[in-house]
Amino acid sequence: DTEVTQTPKHLVMGMTNKKSLKCEQHMGHRAMYWYKQKAKKPPELMFVYSYEKLSINESVPSRFSPECPNSSLLNLHLHALQPEDSALYLCASSQDQTGASYNEQFFGPGTRLTVL
Amino acid sequence: AQSVTQLGSHVSVSEGALVLLRCNYSSSVPPYLFWYVQYPNQGLQLLLKYTSAATLVKGINGFEAEFKKSETSFHLTKPSAHMSDAAEYFCAVRPTGGKLIFGQGTELSVKP
Repeated sequence: DTEVTQTPKHLVMGMTNKKSLKCEQHMGHRAMYWYKQKAKKPPELMFVYSYEKLSINESVPSRFSPECPNSSLLNLHLHALQPEDSALYLCASSQDQTGASYNEQFFGPGTRLTVL
Repeated sequence: AQSVTQLGSHVSVSEGALVLLRCNYSSSVPPYLFWYVQYPNQGLQLLLKYTSAATLVKGINGFEAEFKKSETSFHLTKPSAHMSDAAEYFCAVRPTGGKLIFGQGTELSVKP
């Protein structure tokens, strides 16, 4: 199984709502990533988890809160978002973060988030 | 800092024509290089990767790329474009132990 799954596929939320994005992989990967992608732009790294510990936070606002409950799951909790946070949120995984850099990242299909 | 430059934000070819998407990288050490494809409303899919084993890398869907150290390039080619190749293509470099650094992307259109 070389698949990263993400739910939900689409999400519409108001600025006062609390919601969560979910990501799952069963490839035994020990590094998981959250990216934000605006239209016609490359993905921007938000967070990296390595062996279930947060290893990189790219100065993301606190209204985004990542969580890694176990080695297969990655969540992104959303609270008090702004309309400019509307984007495609991509999850990815790789064998590990600190190992051989040729280990490619496998991406999920993304969650299309709209903040009203 | 390492960077990736993709020449041409949009490339248009006719069906059956050669596809050439350009990627140049800046690196003081041999990098690990990747090409990803993104179809509309989907995630990124790995086309191929360069890991120093061979300079000509073959990927999925008939794509290949050649690593040229003297030109710091890793251009993506396909001999004959198909309508299904229409997508956004991203070149990326990953420094040793570092984050994945993406180019700005090239949108490929295929005309019938």
